[in-house]
Amino acid sequence: QKEVEQDPGPLSVPEGAIVSLNCTYSNSAFQYFMWYRQYSRKGPELLMYTYSSGNKEDGRFTAQVDKSSKYISLFIRDSQPSDSATYLCAMSGDSSASKIIFGSGTRLSIRP
Amino acid sequence: DAGITQSPRHKVTETGTPVTLRCHQTENHRYMYWYRQDPGHGLRLIHYSYGVKDTDKGEVSDGYSVSRSKTEDFLLTLESATSSQTSVYFCAISESNRVGLETQYFGPGTRLLVL
Repeated sequence: QKEVEQDPGPLSVPEGAIVSLNCTYSNSAFQYFMWYRQYSRKGPELLMYTYSSGNKEDGRFTAQVDKSSKYISLFIRDSQPSDSATYLCAMSGDSSASKIIFGSGTRLSIRP
Repeated sequence: DAGITQSPRHKVTETGTPVTLRCHQTENHRYMYWYRQDPGHGLRLIHYSYGVKDTDKGEVSDGYSVSRSKTEDFLLTLESATSSQTSVYFCAISESNRVGLETQYFGPGTRLLVL
C-alpha cells in the first residue's frame, strides 16, 4: 500500500463548479500537507501548504486537513478553464523537503 | 520559475549509454533535488544535495549518481541507461518559508527516452 493515495481521474467539471480533490494517507506522523498544480509539460508549482489539521483559504482555493481520518482535500470555487491541470498532494512528517512524499496526481479538466 | 533551468529538455538515447542531465540555478540555493515522474507513481526523489560536494540518496537512487561541484549546478548521471529509466526528470530547489517548512520550486523538466 502506498503511503499517499490519490485518485488519478481524469475529473471533468463545467466552468463555475466547485471542485473537490482528495488524498488519503497512512502515515500518522505526517504534519505538513501541500498541494501542487502542474500544467501539461511543466514543472509542479506549490499552490498551498498547511501545518497539522484545519482549513486554509487562499482566494478560490481552500485546503482542508482531517488528521483523524488521514484525509486531505483541496476545494476550488468558481472553477475556471485555466484551472485545468494535474493536482498533486504532498506531505511530510517534518519540515525537510527531502522527506516529502507525493501523491500520483489527479488530472482535472474544466469545461467552458 | 525560481531561476532553475534544465538541460537538455528532451533526449533520446540507447540502452547502455551514459547520460548526464544538468540542473542550473541562479539564486544560490543550498538545497537541490532530482526527481523522476512516472504515471501512477507521482514524483519520486532520486538524490538530493545540501551543499557543494554534499549529496544523499533518495527513494529511487539505484542506477543514478549525482555531483555538485558548484552551488549553481547539480548533475544527474545515468551510468548505463536502461529502458526503465525512461521518465520525466525534474530538478528542484527548496527554501524555508515563514513556518520553517522547506518549500520546493521545480524546474521545467527533462523528457528522457531510453530505447
